[in-house]
Amino acid sequence: EAGVVQSPRYKIIEKKQPVAFWCNPISGHNTLYWYLQNLGQGPELLIRYENEEAVDDSQLPKDRFSAERLKGVDSTLKIQPAELGDSAVYLCASSLGSGHNTGELFFGEGSRLTVL
Amino acid sequence: GESVGLHLPTLSVQEGDNSIINCAYSNSASDYFIWYKQESGKGPQFIIDIRSNMDKRQGQRVTVLLNKTVKHLSLQIAATQPGDSAVYFCAESGNDYKLSFGAGTTVTVRA
Repeated sequence: EAGVVQSPRYKIIEKKQPVAFWCNPISGHNTLYWYLQNLGQGPELLIRYENEEAVDDSQLPKDRFSAERLKGVDSTLKIQPAELGDSAVYLCASSLGSGHNTGELFFGEGSRLTVL
Repeated sequence: GESVGLHLPTLSVQEGDNSIINCAYSNSASDYFIWYKQESGKGPQFIIDIRSNMDKRQGQRVTVLLNKTVKHLSLQIAATQPGDSAVYFCAESGNDYKLSFGAGTTVTVRA
């Protein structure tokens, strides 16, 4: 069974440019997450979807970040415009359950962003 | 604020020895805890979880211990192998269902 697929794996852009990351969760997983991971730190939640609804986007910097999961399957995370401080790994994860029965999160390999 | 953290950022262990990785959490409302392993260039991988109604849970070569009195979580790895070299994160969630990760412990296995 395929795991969580993310693309691109690596992206280098200049500041003020836009960038987009794509995630395809494990088939049948209703809940999808985007996490930000800075070097040497643990992942930090940006947004959580249950099906197509964003149920927690409190940590998403909405002035420059946006996300969508239109059909409740794959998702896109966009940054526009990118800043130097956005350099990090963007992780997507999915889980079968939701709410308090989320269970195990399965992570993709991440998209490493470098902003010059 | 509430946070999950690890006592030591690095741990060096001899191959074949047992490893103990510690984690302290501050949110007394947390009721679900998970250990993740992250190898270089990869996403975190689930190791084992435990709910607050338990104080011990065992898996294959791993044991998680939960002490709710002092808000402490530990991961024990038996007979540590070179493939166990990675960064280990503890994570917790409570009523908000949000999984919060600590900063991680880098485990290096010496041959």
